Amino acid sequence: DTGVSQNPRHKITKRGQNVTFRCDPISEHNRLYWYRQTLGQGPEFLTYFQNEAQLEKSRLLSDRFSAERPKGSFSTLEIQRTEQGDSAMYLCASSLATGNSDEQYFGPGTRLTVT
Amino acid sequence: KNEVEQSPQNLTAQEGEFITINCSYSVGISALHWLQQHPGGGIVSLFMLSSGKKKHGRLIATINIQEKHSSLHITASHPRDSAVYICAANDSGAGSYQLTFGKGTKLSVIP
Repeated sequence: DTGVSQNPRHKITKRGQNVTFRCDPISEHNRLYWYRQTLGQGPEFLTYFQNEAQLEKSRLLSDRFSAERPKGSFSTLEIQRTEQGDSAMYLCASSLATGNSDEQYFGPGTRLTVT
Repeated sequence: KNEVEQSPQNLTAQEGEFITINCSYSVGISALHWLQQHPGGGIVSLFMLSSGKKKHGRLIATINIQEKHSSLHITASHPRDSAVYICAANDSGAGSYQLTFGKGTKLSVIP
């Protein structure tokens, strides 16, 4: 399977714990995006990378959230001191951008439940 | 910031019916995406378009740039089309590649 993969698919954690999610993009794609989707809502942009550089961050990304893409390939999203409001589906997408817009390919998501 | 609105929020159709889902946005875009999300969360990109019309199988997407409006049509709908359909806009601001998403339209096709 050469699509975008995310691990784990599901994560249940207790409030206050740290969690880390991983995204493996399509191999030749230079852009990688993280989104968050809460129940009944559309996804919301969190951050994006062009190669290893983090170029945009949403105001939704509080200082408890950090994302990295150290070698321009896979990315990790860490949430420290989780809160119940962090419960959501975390989606990753990648693209090989040309011009001013790009077609993003989405992973299956990681569903986080904070108890 | 772009505001993306979809209608209807929920749609129930009989198998075989022609379906239309609408999407409007508030500011200029470089591209509009239609996405399909099945239960369990996986998202599949259906179309990316910046003008005119695209067709893939029974799916047709159109966009009217002047009216800031796009539609997704499904011909001869089938129960396997049941999913949430989401439109998302790429803002045309230079250097911004983030997508702004609508809340989605939940489609249920009944046999």
